Amino acid sequence: EVQLVESGGGLVQPGGSLRLSCSASGFTFSSYAMHWVRQAPGKGLEYVSAISSNGGSTYYADSVKGRFTISRDNSKNTLYLQMSSLRAEDTAVYYCVKGSTVTTGWFDPWGQGTLVTVSS
Amino acid sequence: SYVLTQPPSVSVAPGKTARITCGGNNIGSKSVHWYQQKPGQAPVLVIYYDSDRPSGIPERFSGSNSGNTATLTISRVEAGDEADYYCQVWDSSSDLWVFGGGTKLTVL
Repeated sequence: EVQLVESGGGLVQPGGSLRLSCSASGFTFSSYAMHWVRQAPGKGLEYVSAISSNGGSTYYADSVKGRFTISRDNSKNTLYLQMSSLRAEDTAVYYCVKGSTVTTGWFDPWGQGTLVTVSS
Repeated sequence: SYVLTQPPSVSVAPGKTARITCGGNNIGSKSVHWYQQKPGQAPVLVIYYDSDRPSGIPERFSGSNSGNTATLTISRVEAGDEADYYCQVWDSSSDLWVFGGGTKLTVL
């Protein structure tokens, strides 16, 4: 069974930093693109970032470009999201998501999410 | 950037058919995926590549995509189908994935 478990969320002050982790199991992690998607309280889904299977390609939404960095360690089956210069509008549940083997593919499954709250 | 437009809400009586639309410029030329999200839970894939169903998703869920509109159809709606539904595509012009704003399905 595929499992994705996020960690690292919490309360952080505006301008601060936080690193999210996603531990993956149940599939060949190194064969799949991985994604981060967020959802602000009471709002819809917002795409955040993606990384190719070997880490060679990364993608970022304009809203986080230059502030967030996605990375992965295929030897540890772990995905990361380093977030810096955090703003109140970054407050959201952050989901780790398994992609597919093709760029246009679907997202499945999703982790349970970790809440990031940016507030003073 | 590419925009996907969904109606904020759709209401349907139990046993009837619900249709949730996802509008986008020439969306018929793209692959559309659909997700169901129940309150307090993570999204779940219900349709991929316009009309394919993952294992475990009831046959009542189907999808279509043509022109400027993709549609998620839920037949014989049940109370348990009440949820938010999101469409998604890959936008090659921006190299990013895009979600629709979501549609809240209410079962009357």
